[in-house]
Amino acid sequence: DAGVIQSPRHEVTEMGQEVTLRCKPISGHDYLFWYRQTMMRGLELLIYFNNNVPIDDSGMPEDRFSAKMPNASFSTLKIQPSEPRDSAVYFCASSPILRDSYNEQFFGPGTRLTVL
Amino acid sequence: GQNIDQPTEMTATEGAIVQINCTYQTSGFNGLFWYQQHAGEAPTFLSYNVLDGLEEKGRFSSFLSRSKGYSYLLLKELQMKDSASYLCAVKDSNYQLIWGAGTKLIIKP
Repeated sequence: DAGVIQSPRHEVTEMGQEVTLRCKPISGHDYLFWYRQTMMRGLELLIYFNNNVPIDDSGMPEDRFSAKMPNASFSTLKIQPSEPRDSAVYFCASSPILRDSYNEQFFGPGTRLTVL
Repeated sequence: GQNIDQPTEMTATEGAIVQINCTYQTSGFNGLFWYQQHAGEAPTFLSYNVLDGLEEKGRFSSFLSRSKGYSYLLLKELQMKDSASYLCAVKDSNYQLIWGAGTKLIIKP
């Protein structure tokens, strides 16, 4: 398996523009997670899906952020409009089972977002 | 609230041993994970503890004491490639991973 795939790897945009980040989880994994990582706040869970259904979006910072998972092999995280404080590395991760304690999360390479 | 504490940064010498501590206060406990993250890369799984005691995996070992809310990651025979951040994460009662801020480990020759 190719692992979790994210695109783009780097994104530079101007304040006010719409940004769309993409993720393809590992095939067969029922859970998909979106994280944001900054030096100040560390790794923060934004939202996670189970079988394409959003389960917990309490980490989504505000209405400017939205996430979708139209099918088992694709998810998007959208920021509209983007602001400089959204600059961070955004990771997508997937996991086969949640309630089996052992199961680790497999991370994608991340998207480094810079909002000017 | 839920909280995980780790030292921000540690420095060690190549060939030596280093211990990275993690203390946690979470609503429930369903296992503790250690991840390694090299600069500019994604976190990768290192170890998992759910019962008290030591888990050994090559040069890396991880220890857990649930009664004390405490874990450590022990790295032996340090190599320059071990320079990275080490993240402690706990699965809470909802099986959600609660992440520590990470410990940046600097290895000097």
